[in-house]
Amino acid sequence: DTGVSQNPRHKITKRGQNVTFRCDPISEHNRLYWYRQTLGQGPEFLTYFQNEAQLEKSRLLSDRFSAERPKGSFSTLEIQRTEQGDSAMYLCASSLGRIGTHTGELFFGEGSRLTVL
Amino acid sequence: SQQGEEDPQALSIQEGENATMNCSYKTSINNLQWYRQNSGRGLVHLILIRSNEREKHSGRLRVTLDTSKKSSSLLITASRAADTASYFCATDGNSGNTPLVFGKGTRLSVIA
Repeated sequence: DTGVSQNPRHKITKRGQNVTFRCDPISEHNRLYWYRQTLGQGPEFLTYFQNEAQLEKSRLLSDRFSAERPKGSFSTLEIQRTEQGDSAMYLCASSLGRIGTHTGELFFGEGSRLTVL
Repeated sequence: SQQGEEDPQALSIQEGENATMNCSYKTSINNLQWYRQNSGRGLVHLILIRSNEREKHSGRLRVTLDTSKKSSSLLITASRAADTASYFCATDGNSGNTPLVFGKGTRLSVIA
């Protein structure tokens, strides 16, 4: 399978715990995105990497959130001290394109669903 | 914040009928895209229309774009039960320099 892979698919945690999600993009894609989606809403942009550089971050990404893409390949999204409001589907997407542009289609993974109790 | 707004929020039709979903957006765009999402799954790209295009077809899909009204529509002809999903429009910035902004989506139910 050469699509975008996300792990884990589901995570249930208690409030205050830390969680980490992993995304493996399509191998030749240089751009990687994280989006968050709550029930009945569309995906909301969180952050974006061009190769290993994190170039944009949404104001939705509080200081409890951190994302990395250490070698320009896979990426991790960590949420520290989780809150019930963090419960959502976290979607990763990748694409191929020039730096500073966001044209072209995104290829999404199946998402990581977080439930904070 | 979400730029696109789909209308209607939910649509229920019989198999074989056509389904039309509309999207309105607020700022100038470079491209507009439509995506589909089955319940609990990731999004799948359907079609991209450039700002200088007015209509585009792909199989049973027809997309129109009216940049003067900042609106787009997605028509699915001869719908099937398998078309049941949520459909989202997504826009980029004027020069394609903004990460895709998605609308809230239209939930389509096709009844066999």
